[in-house]
Amino acid sequence: SAVISQKPSRDICQRGTSLTIQCQVDSQVTMMFWYRQQPGQSLTLIATANQGSEATYESGFVIDKFPISRPNLTFSTLTVSNMSPEDSSIYLCSAARGRSTSYEQYFGPGTRLTVT
Amino acid sequence: GIQVEQSPPDLILQEGANSTLRCNFSDSVNNLQWFHQNPWGQLINLFYIPSGTKQNGRLSATTVATERYSLLYISSSQTTDSGVYFCAVSTSGTYKYIFGTGTRLKVLA
Repeated sequence: SAVISQKPSRDICQRGTSLTIQCQVDSQVTMMFWYRQQPGQSLTLIATANQGSEATYESGFVIDKFPISRPNLTFSTLTVSNMSPEDSSIYLCSAARGRSTSYEQYFGPGTRLTVT
Repeated sequence: GIQVEQSPPDLILQEGANSTLRCNFSDSVNNLQWFHQNPWGQLINLFYIPSGTKQNGRLSATTVATERYSLLYISSSQTTDSGVYFCAVSTSGTYKYIFGTGTRLKVLA
């Protein structure tokens, strides 16, 4: 398994500002991901955080809005830029080890963001 | 892309009752997990089950990959079982998980 921590756990931000969320895994993992969960909805993948290179974004998500870094195998950050109330969501970091044909994902506790 | 549908969307049970949650997926999968999201938002791993049957205490799960569905059984439900249950799948050659629509469970004392 993997133990994942996120900071901050929650925040209330004003529109137009930016927030950086940190994700730390307790040991080396193959893959790290960032998800968004809007109120009352399921989880949607934002991007795959690639170690030492640019993240791979899913359709509907762009680097200018959600810049991601992963400087090493156990740490990643997600920035939510130029926030609007529509960005109010839970943001979750996840990590996985193993091959794509057989792996298990583990999730951090999430960051609950409210934009006013 | 692959579609993942869960049923029922909402479920209310009396404490002690049993229930079955279903996850249907539209394509073959390499990986499948069940998660419980507690009222504080934490996602808890329940089962990694791309095929076969597993049991853990009052919970068990079965995946019939050839028929593209998975079932999660909860027996003797407790109020702490309340929350949202998600299944998530990934297809061949990718690490990306697609999450299902979720089943919101409320267990009444």
